[in-house]
Amino acid sequence: DIQMTQSPSAVSASVGDRVTITCRASQGISNYLAWFQQKPGKVPKRLIYAASSLQSGVPSRFSGSGSGTEFTLTISSLQPEDFATYYCLQHNIYPLTFGQGTRLEIK
Amino acid sequence: QVQLVESGGGVVQPGRSLRLSCAASGFTFSNYGIHWVRQAPGKGLEWVAVITYDGSNKYYPDSVKGRFTISRDNSKNTLYLQMNSLRAEDAAVYYCAKDALPGTLTPDEPSDWGQGTLVTVSS
Repeated sequence: DIQMTQSPSAVSASVGDRVTITCRASQGISNYLAWFQQKPGKVPKRLIYAASSLQSGVPSRFSGSGSGTEFTLTISSLQPEDFATYYCLQHNIYPLTFGQGTRLEIK
Repeated sequence: QVQLVESGGGVVQPGRSLRLSCAASGFTFSNYGIHWVRQAPGKGLEWVAVITYDGSNKYYPDSVKGRFTISRDNSKNTLYLQMNSLRAEDAAVYYCAKDALPGTLTPDEPSDWGQGTLVTVSS
């Protein structure tokens, strides 16, 4: 199985900060990677697909990059509604595997 | 718009069985693969199963393989998850979610999710 490792596991930041979350795959997955945002008690929401394509309706302050084994999700200027947990997901081969999540907290 | 509504969750004893359902609307159900993803209380997301749009292929992680069976009835726009030999570690909210792309037999990510149904495994 492909292991997905996110870092950091948690990060504290302030409104207006730039934040980057990294996801590393244990083997190459091309660009078969998606990013999800989940707020407490809510359903996960897809933000990014194909590693760098922005889901329709998602603010442009979110961006994704990477290919192969290393990927990043960047939020350019944090807004209050961005404080949530973020997950990466590889869908290159089965079984699909998620990262363990990164909790983004208000400083 | 896409709507996925899970049902069938509840409290079940270890070793017993439960069947979850997912009723779909707002899209052509028979064109899309559908996933089950679960989330234990306070934990991360775990992918549980997928069935291709035509039902020809089903995939599972080792953690549920041989115990869980995914199936679909395209005439009823409904997805199922039969869960047998349930364990305490199977307790979670179970979400169904559709593939992002139609008609694919290769792995695709879940794009639209239901609200989930809670399964509690306890004696």
